Formats: sequence, structure tokens, C-alpha cells
Amino acid sequence: DVQLQESGPGLVKPSQSLSLTCTVTGYSITSDYAWNWIRQFPGNKLEWMGYISYSGSTSYNPSLKSRISITRDTSKNQFFLQLNSVTTEDTATYYCARGRYDDYAMDYWGQGTSVTVSS
Amino acid sequence: QIVLTQSPAIMSASPGEKVTLTCSASSSVSSSYLYWYQQKPGSSPKLWIYSTSNLASGVPARFSGSGSGTSYSLTISSMEAEDAASYFCHQWSSYPPTFGAGTKLELK
Repeated sequence: DVQLQESGPGLVKPSQSLSLTCTVTGYSITSDYAWNWIRQFPGNKLEWMGYISYSGSTSYNPSLKSRISITRDTSKNQFFLQLNSVTTEDTATYYCARGRYDDYAMDYWGQGTSVTVSS
Repeated sequence: QIVLTQSPAIMSASPGEKVTLTCSASSSVSSSYLYWYQQKPGSSPKLWIYSTSNLASGVPARFSGSGSGTSYSLTISSMEAEDAASYFCHQWSSYPPTFGAGTKLELK
């Protein structure tokens, strides 16, 4: 069965970088699909952040384009989120999710990891 | 970007009651790229309905989805306790993909 698991620090200081890992089991991230990052703010608003495709191409939300980078380590079947110059407004629960290419539905999600930006 | 407005924000329904949640888009959305996700407290969102009307794996048949253009809906034919959750609509018809603010459905 496909499983995704987010990991990373729960607390980041303002102006620093947020770095998260999504470890995928049960499916190779190089076989197919788009591998997404989505975040949910306090109050439950959801925001799509971006994805890295099975081929390694990336797509980002324009609202984050200058601060975000999504990369991967195919040997470990992991993909990563880096968000630079964070502020308190980046406090959220961060999810990774698998996205289908035929209809863009995100069919498998990780359990989420909570990140607080605070000094 | 397309703004998705969900109504109502919160509602309660009794067991057996028919429930309809709506999602209104600021611009036309292709029905192929309109989804609904269910989320329960402390859990991640789950794909519930894709391409407007297709139920995801394991979703009970009492759920249905419909709509086109700027107006979409999710209907529960007969409310059950396990359906109490938040439901988010989501579009990938226009870049960037966006989500509605959600409807919290409570059991009365």
C-alpha cells in the first residue's frame, strides 16, 4: 500500500528556512505521478504549494515562487520542501500528497507535520 | 486565481437527512478538475469525489457530486454519523490550484 510520511523540525525561527522531508513507501516516485506539498493554516485554509513530477520537473504556486524549492532523492524515495525566509504566516500543518496525472486528484496524503514559526 | 466559495460554512444535519453542500467558483471550472476532500479532526484530507461526480475508492454510495461551470455540489442522500466532517472543494482547472474554505458538517 502507498504511504507518505512527512518529517522535519516543528519549530523554525523567522527569516530562516523551513525544510521538510516526505518519505514514500509502496511506490517509486520515479514511476509516475506528481508529488505535492500542501499546507493547512490555523483556521483550516488549504494552500497548494507545488510539486515535483516523477521525471523531476517542478511546478510552484506563484505566491511562493521566490521562496520555494522542491527536490528529491530517488535513492531514498524521498522528496523535500524548502521554504526560505519564513515568517509567522508560514505557521501551518504541511502535507505531502500524491497527485494523478490524468485528473490531478491527490489520492494519497501523509498524516501531516505541524510547523510553527516563532522566535 | 480562481476563488472557490463554499456554503454553508457550518451546518448540522440529523441522521437520515439529505444534505447538500455547494461550491461556487469565481470563474468557470472544467468539471474534469473539480474535487471534494473529506477531513476529520486530527487527520489529513482524503480524496472523496473526483472529476465532479466520481466517488473515490471506499466512499459510500450515499454520496454524490454534480455541477458544471461555476456551480458544484456534494450531496449526501441520507446523513450518517460517520459523515460528520469538513468537506473542501478543490480545482485544478486553472493555475494555481485552489481550495475552498470548507464546510463543517456536524451531526444534529
